[in-house]
Amino acid sequence: NAGVMQNPRHLVRRRGQEARLRCSPMKGHSHVYWYRQLPEEGLKFMVYLQKENIIDESGMPKERFSAEFPKEGPSILRIQQVVRGDSAAYFCASSPGRPVYTQYFGPGTRLTVL
Amino acid sequence: SQQGEEDPQALSIQEGENATMNCSYKTSINNLQWYRQNSGRGLVHLILIRSNEREKHSGRLRVTLDTSKKSSSLLITASRAADTASYFCATDGDDNAGNMLTFGGGTRLMVKP
Repeated sequence: NAGVMQNPRHLVRRRGQEARLRCSPMKGHSHVYWYRQLPEEGLKFMVYLQKENIIDESGMPKERFSAEFPKEGPSILRIQQVVRGDSAAYFCASSPGRPVYTQYFGPGTRLTVL
Repeated sequence: SQQGEEDPQALSIQEGENATMNCSYKTSINNLQWYRQNSGRGLVHLILIRSNEREKHSGRLRVTLDTSKKSSSLLITASRAADTASYFCATDGDDNAGNMLTFGGGTRLMVKP
């Protein structure tokens, strides 16, 4: 049973470009969470999705950030018009369902904005 | 402010010694979990303790939970160089309907061979 997969592992973008981060949850998991981690800090919740639904996006910046989890395919975190402050590690986690117990994390995507 | 705060922020010990890390949180919780993160890598789940539990063991790990003090501790016994990593506590609680884990800032543990 493959774990949570994220790609790319490293992504470099110039200011103003778009970044697309992908997450495939563990097999059988229908709940996906995105977190952001700045250097030397803990993870901060961004968004919680189920298939075709955004359940909680209270941690998402109001502008430029969006997330989706389509019926088919991976979950996508999209950052438009990236700025240097978006440089961080973005982690995806999945779980089999509510209530939240253990979340299984992917290896992360490290975004660098030049 | 963060729900979970670990202390110390950094800890350096010799191989074979025990390492104790503490975590405090602010609101009521359902569960508290500890994760490990090796440098530049993802998080690995270590142990979960429910709010009605006081102590839990897993191998060389021992976790305690004191809900009256809103605190938890992670003890790693007989540490090894391979235990070098950052350790995070994470809570899920009534206030967020279980939608998210709230992480502390982590304790960076270095175990010297």
